[in-house]
Amino acid sequence: ETGVTQTPRHLVMGMTNKKSLKCEQHLGHNAMYWYKQSAKKPLELMFVYNFKEQTENNSVPSRFSPECPNSSHLFLHLHTLQPEDSALYLCASSRVAGGNTGELFFGEGSRLTVL
Amino acid sequence: AQTVTQSQPEMSVQEAETVTLSCTYDTSESDYYLFWYKQPPSRQMILVIRQEAYKQQNATENRFSVNFQKAAKSFSLKISDSQLGDAAMYFCAYIPPGTYKYIFGTGTRLKVLA
Repeated sequence: ETGVTQTPRHLVMGMTNKKSLKCEQHLGHNAMYWYKQSAKKPLELMFVYNFKEQTENNSVPSRFSPECPNSSHLFLHLHTLQPEDSALYLCASSRVAGGNTGELFFGEGSRLTVL
Repeated sequence: AQTVTQSQPEMSVQEAETVTLSCTYDTSESDYYLFWYKQPPSRQMILVIRQEAYKQQNATENRFSVNFQKAAKSFSLKISDSQLGDAAMYFCAYIPPGTYKYIFGTGTRLKVLA
């Protein structure tokens, strides 16, 4: 298996539920990202991990909690979400060499619906 | 603030014809990178083409080419001989060197008409 894999592809949850999104990359990259994609809005960077260390938290509400146990895996833990959090959540990875100037490799995304 | 603007929410092109998607950006940096990404329906976003700002020559990848105008901060994508498989959302993106903060535009939905 190659590339960036995200599970689940679709998730419906109530506002009181706790769920997690998972991302796995098989490209040997060192940086991993979570983006939020909403209709008619630019992709919003949420979190960046470089060599398992969080290097970016773009003022994301605490109801979103990332976890990066190693360079190949990235999780996004969700709890007490709001309906406006419904969106497509994209995971991406990239190779890092002295600052990031390279291509992002994306997963297919997890479509989240909060009821 | 660094921003990326795609002023065309939707474009249509006849199969085999040429179409140009517009992108402008705002930055005070002199060195940076620009990208066009393609997101087909329900499929992964993939890189179409990449341009380094210090290179004056426009990047090309087969049927895809860019018109990079650094002074005007413009980075348009030209698709020649359009194919049905080119139908997708196209996102313009910018990143200053040494950072992880890719900045994306809102996207242009391209329809290819048979």
